[in-house]
Amino acid sequence: AQTIHQWPVAEIKAVGSPLSLGCTIKGKSSPNLYWYWQATGGTLQQLFYSITVGQVESVVQLNLSASRPKDDQFILSTEKLLLSHSGFYLCAWSLGGENERLFFGHGTKLSVL
Amino acid sequence: GDSVTQTEGLVTLTEGLPVMLNCTYQSTYSPFLFWYVQHLNEAPKLLLKSFTDNKRPEHQGFHATLHKSSSSFHLQKSSAQLSDSALYYCALSEQGTGSKLSFGKGAKLTVSP
Repeated sequence: AQTIHQWPVAEIKAVGSPLSLGCTIKGKSSPNLYWYWQATGGTLQQLFYSITVGQVESVVQLNLSASRPKDDQFILSTEKLLLSHSGFYLCAWSLGGENERLFFGHGTKLSVL
Repeated sequence: GDSVTQTEGLVTLTEGLPVMLNCTYQSTYSPFLFWYVQHLNEAPKLLLKSFTDNKRPEHQGFHATLHKSSSSFHLQKSSAQLSDSALYYCALSEQGTGSKLSFGKGAKLTVSP
C-alpha cells in the first residue's frame, strides 16, 4: 500500500528565517507529486508539481521553491519566510492523467511570527 | 483560464435535511470534475469524480451530475448526517493536463442535531 509522509507536522518560525518542508511517498514508483497551500479558512492553492525526478514546475509565485531530489521525495523551501507564508502545506501524489485522484498527506501547519 | 466557483461559503443544516452544494466551472476544453472532502484535522480526500460516459458518480450517499450545458457539478445528498460536517471542495482537471487541479473556495458544511 502507498503511504505519504510529511514532516514536520507543525512549525513556528520567525519572519526572515529559512524553511524546509519534506514529503516522502512509499509504495509507488514515479508518481506525480504536488505541493498545495491552504490559508486558514481558504481554498487549496497548487504551488508546484513534479512529474519526474529533478523536474519541478511552478504554478504560482509565492517566494517559495521546490525540488525533487529523489523519485519518492518532494521538498518545499525558502530562504526567507514572510508573514504571508503562514498556513497549511499539503503534499499530494497521483498516478498522473487528468482523471486521476490526488492522495494528500496530513500536512504541515506553518505559523510565521 | 480554468476556474471553479463555489458560491456557498458556510452551510448549516439540520440532520435529515437534503444537502446541495453548488459548483460551476469555466474551462476551455472538456474537464474532469471532482469533489474532495476534508474533515476537521484530516487531509482532503476524494469523494466523487465525474465519468467520461455521463454516469452519475455516487459515494457515501452523495452524488453529483456533470451538466456540460450549464457547466455545473453540484453535490447532493438526500439526507444529511452529523458525520457529513466537513469542508467540501469542488475541483477541475482539464483534459490533457493531468498535472493541474484547480480547486474552488470550498464550502463548510455543518450538520446539527
